[in-house]
Amino acid sequence: DVKVTQSSRYLVKRTGEKVFLECVQDMDHENMFWYRQDPGLGLRLIYFSYDVKMKEKGDIPEGYSVSREKKERFSLILESASTNQTSMYLCASKSVEGGLNQPQHFGDGTRLSIL
Amino acid sequence: AQSVTQPDIHITVSEGASLELRCNYSYGATPYLFWYVQSPGQGLQLLLKYFSGDTLVQGIKGFEAEFKRSQSSFNLRKPSVHWSDAAEYFCAVSRWNNDMRFGAGTRLTVKP
Repeated sequence: DVKVTQSSRYLVKRTGEKVFLECVQDMDHENMFWYRQDPGLGLRLIYFSYDVKMKEKGDIPEGYSVSREKKERFSLILESASTNQTSMYLCASKSVEGGLNQPQHFGDGTRLSIL
Repeated sequence: AQSVTQPDIHITVSEGASLELRCNYSYGATPYLFWYVQSPGQGLQLLLKYFSGDTLVQGIKGFEAEFKRSQSSFNLRKPSVHWSDAAEYFCAVSRWNNDMRFGAGTRLTVKP
């Protein structure tokens, strides 16, 4: 089974702090994704990565950056945290073998609160 | 643009009753469609997927979904709901660049 591990289940930070959310997958997947989930809005894509050192902006990249130095790890960075970034953050990975038919595999999420 | 609509924000059913969760998609080409379930405090788990062939697909936990191209729908069904099915359900479509579009989700409450 694919395992996607997010480093923290709950995190509390202060406004203005630089925040790092880490995600690791163990299946050698090429694609990795960061979403934020808010009530009534479903999942919105922040950034995704096709492969190591490659990244693409999603729908809501403002205030975020990402890093993918190794294939198994995809980090989401809040450069200067603000209260409107309080949310649930979900990481996912996906194999490109088999094409668009392949599902994304999700971690358990990080519930981030910015005070 | 590709999009997914789940018209029902919240549904309540009695345990043992049948369930249908609606999903409509907007996509120019052949859609690759998925249903996920999210239990409280957890990530998303894949229930089933469709990309071609038989329009009725079977998934885990006794769920099935039917693809209807004429109605642009991919509704999720279960003949008899169990209390453990209470969760949030997301419909999604896979896009050309390998990312996904998700619906806003339908929260299912199961009454005893």
